[in-house]
Amino acid sequence: DAKTTQPPSMDCAEGRAANLPCNHSTISGNEYVYWYRQIHSQGPQYIIHGLKNNETNEMASLIITEDRKSSTLILPHATLRDTAVYYCIVGNDKIIFGKGTRLHILP
Amino acid sequence: DTGVSQNPRHKITKRGQNVTFRCDPISEHNRLYWYRQTLGQGPEFLTYFQNEAQLEKSRLLSDRFSAERPKGSFSTLEIQRTEQGDSAMYLCASGLRGSNEKLFFGSGTQLSVL
Repeated sequence: DAKTTQPPSMDCAEGRAANLPCNHSTISGNEYVYWYRQIHSQGPQYIIHGLKNNETNEMASLIITEDRKSSTLILPHATLRDTAVYYCIVGNDKIIFGKGTRLHILP
Repeated sequence: DTGVSQNPRHKITKRGQNVTFRCDPISEHNRLYWYRQTLGQGPEFLTYFQNEAQLEKSRLLSDRFSAERPKGSFSTLEIQRTEQGDSAMYLCASGLRGSNEKLFFGSGTQLSVL
């Protein structure tokens, strides 16, 4: 019962910005948007989260639309090590994963 | 900060046997979560604790599965009478209530039921 929709896969050239979209049209007012990623054979890794405002940290930027029904995760300069499955999650109590987007960084 | 530790990393067992996994969270974290992941799927929520209290258990979870966190520190996940369908990666995560659920995950225990 994931509340988000993501494309199953995307490609991005190394060194370019990777923009990963997520739709969450049923998000409620107190729910956050979280992004995690999972590199092969590892546990998921927290990337970033936000409520209403755009957020930036050392890993990525999160752009949330004004109506909060969609968001975009931006990896500004993708490297081969960013190849992973990226999960967009909405919630405020526990993290429920969907199927995510498999991002391939191309050399 | 030693991160979330899970043991064992791998477990092979025969169908019908009981298995137990251990998770040691980051020391100051009061929330602890268990997930299960099969190939090609995202992690599936199983249960979570706040301190020693089990707050929620997935309604999809068989009663062969039980989890404990007796002193609010480490946790164990036990599977009784294992079935081949229990083969999966079992992931543990910990977090701090009030941190808006920023979770830190362990590397998981890979269970293979023969």
